[in-house]
Formats: sequence, C-alpha cells, structure tokens
Amino acid sequence: GAGVSQSPRYKVAKRGQDVALRCDPISGHVSLFWYQQALGQGPEFLTYFQNEAQLDKSGLPSDRFFAERPEGSVSTLKIQRTQQEDSAVYLCASSLALDRAGETQYFGPGTRLLVL
Amino acid sequence: QKEVEQNSGPLSVPEGAIASLNCTYSDRGSQSFFWYRQYSGKSPELIMSIYSNGDKEDGRFTAQLNKASQYVSLLIRDSQPSDSATYLCAVIMIKAAGNKLTFGGGTRVLVKP
Repeated sequence: GAGVSQSPRYKVAKRGQDVALRCDPISGHVSLFWYQQALGQGPEFLTYFQNEAQLDKSGLPSDRFFAERPEGSVSTLKIQRTQQEDSAVYLCASSLALDRAGETQYFGPGTRLLVL
Repeated sequence: QKEVEQNSGPLSVPEGAIASLNCTYSDRGSQSFFWYRQYSGKSPELIMSIYSNGDKEDGRFTAQLNKASQYVSLLIRDSQPSDSATYLCAVIMIKAAGNKLTFGGGTRVLVKP
C-alpha cells in the first residue's frame, strides 16, 4: 500500500512568511508524529497526534509553530513568521499504535524548508 | 548529556568487514529500541527493532540490547558499499507520551570497496 506522503517536498520561504506543510499518513494509522531534522543531526520530536487529538506538543519550538489533524488523517504543520533558524527537514511519521508491534513508525520523504 | 548518544563517525570499514555501531541511552525504563538507516537526502528507514535483552538477527544485521548497561548496538556483517549511510538509534522512553521516538545524532558509516 501507499506509504506516508508529504507535500511540498521543497519549500523556499522569505523570512517572515507563513508556511504550511502537509502530511498524509498510511491509511488506518492512528498515531501521527512530526519531527524536525537539522542538517547533520538526528530528528527531534515536535508533536504527536492520536487520531484527531494532539496529545503532546512539547517539542514545538515556539508559538509560531502550530499543528492540526482535524479529521484524524491528514495533518498540517504551520509555521508563522518563519525565521532562518526554522530551516530544516520536517519529517512526518505514522504508526498503528495498537500494541508493541504497532509502535513502528514509518516516515514520509520529508519537506525541506529553506528560509532566506 | 543527550538522552540518546551515538558516535557521529564517520565509521570507515572495508567492503566485506563487520561494521559495529553503538548507542547509549539515559532512561533506564526504556523498553523499545530501533535502528533506522538514512541515506543522504532521504528519510529514515527502519532496519531493526528490539525489545528484549540479547541479540536479534535479520539477514546481515544483528541488534544487541543490554538494558543493565543501557546500550544497544548494531552489527552489519559483510558490509557493502550500499550500506554507506547514517544509522540512527531511536528509543521510546518510558516517560514518553504515546510512542514518540528520541533519536541519537546518528553514526555515519562509509564502506570502502
């Protein structure tokens, strides 16, 4: 079946511009995660949804970052008034989350954001 | 101190040799451990998951977990140039809400023909 998809794959934004990044998880996956990966670093957790409920947003770096998953499937990560330090790859992952075997997270291709 | 630590490398190994990667974690209560492979410019791809102490083998890959010492390792046997990538260790910590992964910084592996 189809994997996790993300769009756009690349985004160039001027500093101060708002951006919206989309994630389509694997069909039927309950859990959805957003991670931020800076160049040469491992992914860092941003936020987590279980269906439409945002259960953990402790990793969002500032109140300029906002995520939603209104119908429990597609999710959007929005960054307002982008800054140069927001430049990174934004990864979306989903998992079944029913039991231990369902913990495996499958990653999308990522959105590479460059803020000029 | 980071919650999950890996040597950044690069770890250079000749083709056909064994590559040995190590990872330590801080949360003693962690239960689930994963190794992901990430090619340059690509997203992480799951190689192995391990939950119990001991070894778990899958093809040329063996994951080893020692909860008492709080480390998890990955062995790649008969290394191939196509194994050249960054290997990310990831842990689900006991304190985590849901199943969020805490990643190490990754070890870059370079397999030389």
